[in-house]
Amino acid sequence: AQSVTQLDSHVSVSEGTPVLLRCNYSSSYSPSLFWYVQHPNKGLQLLLKYTSAATLVKGINGFEAEFKKSETSFHLTKPSAHMSDAAEYFCVVSDRGGGGNKLTFGTGTQLKVEL
Amino acid sequence: SAVISQKPSRDICQRGTSLTIQCQVDSQVTMMFWYRQQPGQSLTLIATANQGSEATYESGFVIDKFPISRPNLTFSTLTVSNMSPEDSSIYLCSVQQGRSYNEQFFGPGTRLTVL
Repeated sequence: AQSVTQLDSHVSVSEGTPVLLRCNYSSSYSPSLFWYVQHPNKGLQLLLKYTSAATLVKGINGFEAEFKKSETSFHLTKPSAHMSDAAEYFCVVSDRGGGGNKLTFGTGTQLKVEL
Repeated sequence: SAVISQKPSRDICQRGTSLTIQCQVDSQVTMMFWYRQQPGQSLTLIATANQGSEATYESGFVIDKFPISRPNLTFSTLTVSNMSPEDSSIYLCSVQQGRSYNEQFFGPGTRLTVL
């Protein structure tokens, strides 16, 4: 079984300050982990993915995430927020070893960026 | 990554009618998925559609309500049958690419409103 918990439903930051979106996961097998972003009235875009090659994963638009097995976490960070980062972010887990291809989505974190 | 299109992009329908949503991919893919995103909610997997076999439905979703076709490796349809206002959602198709990491790419979605 797999599950993911996004610890904050809303995060508000000032432009130019760091972003931290928190995610904890549960997986019976070696997980694949993803962060997707959804801008208003837009489709889902893959930000980055963890597939066991490296624990620190760099994605698009300056985002990165660190896989910490001991903490079962996969938090998303960015050093300096930009207005264009305002969107909904989803942490997603998939069990690779379980033989299935199912993605399980977190409930989402709405990021607000203020001037 | 694959380019995915959906038709229609949005629709407003009357209670009791049915709507068929089309998903077209610009390359051949084995696995396609259909998701529902209810207003203000995260994504929930409806079913997995593999070419040449019956769709596999998740708990809470049935074929009579959400019949799916997968006639070839680049196309799928999802029908929302006998609609009620509770079916008002965004419906998204996705495809899996990559080897074993379960990475999925999403279409732009179909925004359905049922009156």
